[in-house]
Amino acid sequence: GAVVSQHPSRVICKSGTSVKIECRSLDFQATTMFWYRQFPKQSLMLMATSNEGSKATYEQGVEKDKFLINHASLTLSTLTVTSAHPEDSSFYICSARAGGGEINSPLHFGNGTRLTVT
Amino acid sequence: SQKIEQNSEALNIQEGKTATLTCNYTNYSPAYLQWYRQDPGRGPVFLLLIRENEKEKRKERLKVTFDTTLKQSLFHITASQPADSATYLCALPFSGGYNKLIFGAGTRLAVHP
Repeated sequence: GAVVSQHPSRVICKSGTSVKIECRSLDFQATTMFWYRQFPKQSLMLMATSNEGSKATYEQGVEKDKFLINHASLTLSTLTVTSAHPEDSSFYICSARAGGGEINSPLHFGNGTRLTVT
Repeated sequence: SQKIEQNSEALNIQEGKTATLTCNYTNYSPAYLQWYRQDPGRGPVFLLLIRENEKEKRKERLKVTFDTTLKQSLFHITASQPADSATYLCALPFSGGYNKLIFGAGTRLAVHP
């Protein structure tokens, strides 16, 4: 089946530093990947859509300069949290569609990255 | 704007019983709806898709219904097992961008032996 790998699974960083999270589709190509964040006991909130070879599209209220997304290849998207602050502490999850990427096909998720900013 | 509501209260049931989870939505008529399972500290895993012209979908012990008049989907797990304990999320396509999904907050299911 389609596998999405996300790395690192956990990261602790100091306030003001930047953190990069990688999302890879291991056995399929993904022209589009989606980045979500999730607070405890809350729903996944879509942050942005990562598009291979072009700029990401961000959801309303998400700072594009804060959350830099790069989708340089058909199997890799990265999310960089710049100048992280404690309020950025959250669970970040990436996802992608396999196959032809039909709009109703399921999303395959990575196992998430738990970011803690101290 | 679109809203999805799932029971925030955890659902506790005895092993062997049928679990029924509810997903209600407003301000929208989605072309399809999906259900996912999420275990603690993990990403969601896809379970079932149901389209707007389908009333019911089954997969092994799972059954999903989709009532577009009530704007509601029901998710059933029959003969539940402790291994079914997890959080179950429903997801709908964004009204403005069908390739994006919006998720409910999920309902936590605990199946007791």
